[in-house]
Amino acid sequence: AQKVTQAQTEISVVEKEDVTLDCVYETRDTTYYLFWYKQPPSGELVFLIRRNSFDEQNEISGRYSWNFQKSTSSFNFTITASQVVDSAVYFCALFHNAGNMLTFGGGTRLMVKP
Amino acid sequence: DTEVTQTPKHLVMGMTNKKSLKCEQHMGHRAMYWYKQKAKKPPELMFVYSYEKLSINESVPSRFSPECPNSSLLNLHLHALQPEDSALYLCASSQDVPGTLTGELFFGEGSRLTVL
Repeated sequence: AQKVTQAQTEISVVEKEDVTLDCVYETRDTTYYLFWYKQPPSGELVFLIRRNSFDEQNEISGRYSWNFQKSTSSFNFTITASQVVDSAVYFCALFHNAGNMLTFGGGTRLMVKP
Repeated sequence: DTEVTQTPKHLVMGMTNKKSLKCEQHMGHRAMYWYKQKAKKPPELMFVYSYEKLSINESVPSRFSPECPNSSLLNLHLHALQPEDSALYLCASSQDVPGTLTGELFFGEGSRLTVL
């Protein structure tokens, strides 16, 4: 079974704080892809990152960083020095070839207060 | 700005109405998707078109009828909907065909549907 769990349903931080969004996944596939999407109030899902199962290098993009740990089936997302514009719902997702679909986690609503 | 355009952005319809949601992309993507998203829930896959042919139907009721007139357009025809069908309907496209996904899905802003 394919499953993505985002245990944090809501997180509230004050601007400039660092925040980490957790993502744990389950899959029997040996080849799979993990994604993070951001959904601002306007509704569209904005692609943030894709990681394949063979690439465990962590990645940094500006204030965003991702920690992929295959041993613990986790793909966590950290925002450094958060800003009000980071307020959104963030989804972790798993693509598996066998299912031909993108399975989303439940999402984490991040609220960054000024 | 999103490169996947959905119209209308908002739609209110009665249970006996017939309406359509439209989606357009000009990125040359060959796979297009319809997702349904209820409030405070993740998107759920409804349909996938690959090269203009329906490849995945996630057991969606027949009151939802997808159509892909060409590689750039995707429609969702709605008829005899129920109030519980009220949701945000998201269209997406990807360069890859399902089963070979290596890139990301590009999502539109969605059409927010209310069924009275």
